[in-house]
Amino acid sequence: GDSVTQTEGLVTLTKGLPVMLNCTYQTTYSPFLFWYVQHLNEAPKLLLKSSTDNKRTEHQGFYATLHKSSSSFHLQKSSVQLSDSALYFCALSEGSFNKLTFGAGTRLAVCP
Amino acid sequence: NSKVIQTPRYLVKGQGQKAKMRCIPEKGHPVVFWYQQNKNNEFKFLINFQNQEVLQQIDMTEKRFSAECPSNSPCSLEIQSSEAGDSALYLCASSHRANTEVFFGKGTRLTVV
Repeated sequence: GDSVTQTEGLVTLTKGLPVMLNCTYQTTYSPFLFWYVQHLNEAPKLLLKSSTDNKRTEHQGFYATLHKSSSSFHLQKSSVQLSDSALYFCALSEGSFNKLTFGAGTRLAVCP
Repeated sequence: NSKVIQTPRYLVKGQGQKAKMRCIPEKGHPVVFWYQQNKNNEFKFLINFQNQEVLQQIDMTEKRFSAECPSNSPCSLEIQSSEAGDSALYLCASSHRANTEVFFGKGTRLTVV
């Protein structure tokens, strides 16, 4: 079945530094990838989405490029802020029923 | 702000008790999902609906979990006989169509004592 792998459980950074959160996936469908962010006691919210190979997508300073050749959709930001501290989930849409398969999540902690 | 409304936000039940939570999807969204997010923040898909029909669901072999999305009423997820391992955040989500953004509610945090 489909699967999503996020290799980092916790990433701790100082404000202003760049970050990359890894996401790789396996699927037999044409992939549709998402990044969701979940702040404490809040609903997960969409950050980025893509189904186009090798095209960079950006939102709120975050960006990611879907690479079908390596089955990856890594999330990046050039300069993290304190407000970026949250849980980040990579997710894969499974075909026409739209069921999302989530990775285990990465907690990003940004320090002053 | 999330337009998917889940009630209650918090639910405490004793083992063996019934637990029921509700969800009002975003207006105009025909597809509704239920996910369980455990204490390790891992997501587990439970079931999804298109209008009132079940699209996919996990193998609820114990049959303790049931869900429905009746027309003109909130969707609901019910656990017939709660167990300690059911303690989790239950997230409802809705979407307009396949492969588009899925909007989540804030969840119902169930604690089984």
